[in-house]
Amino acid sequence: DTAVSQTPKYLVTQMGNDKSIKCEQNLGHDTMYWYKQDSKKFLKIMFSYNNKELIINETVPNRFSPKSPDKAHLNLHINSLELGDSAVYFCASSQVAGGPYEQFFGPGTRLTVL
Amino acid sequence: GENVEQHPSTLSVQEGDSAVIKCTYSDSASNYFPWYKQELGKRPQLIIDIRSNVGEKKDQRIAVTLNKTAKHFSLHITETQPEDSAVYFCAAGGWQLTFGSGTQLTVLP
Repeated sequence: DTAVSQTPKYLVTQMGNDKSIKCEQNLGHDTMYWYKQDSKKFLKIMFSYNNKELIINETVPNRFSPKSPDKAHLNLHINSLELGDSAVYFCASSQVAGGPYEQFFGPGTRLTVL
Repeated sequence: GENVEQHPSTLSVQEGDSAVIKCTYSDSASNYFPWYKQELGKRPQLIIDIRSNVGEKKDQRIAVTLNKTAKHFSLHITETQPEDSAVYFCAAGGWQLTFGSGTQLTVLP
């Protein structure tokens, strides 16, 4: 069974468009995250969402917004896409209350902005 | 916030040799230090982790050491095999992690 899943796997779009990436976890975890991995492989936290508390990395443009319809889902919406948004986006989840903190990653979504 | 530095950025070893990757962190409040392996085109996967109340942990060919005083931790892989070739990331924090910049490990047959 897939623990953390993301859709789509690939996303190619034009500058200025709005797009969404979906993430679901079936591990019963209480915390979910979004990471951006650029072409140099740096893994940078974008958002952490725990018990309805959202922590935003201050460097993330406000064109990016996470939306969590329930504990098992954390979707990423991106408005007015720019060339620099091209990257691989990973969703992850972990159990924070009671531990053990290990983060499980989804398969990633490769976003290409033309 | 937390700052994690990782060295080296690339590492080539002969099959059967050992590989060591080192990381330093800045925030003394960090209490969780995982290591992830990422193969090309795949997701990062946890290979070993250590908490601040433990100095060393071993799992078969992989071991991690933590020096809280010096704020550094290291990954040791013994008897390396070609399938160990991947990018390795250290991370530090708690329920939120800051990742190092990664080490491309190549094991030469």
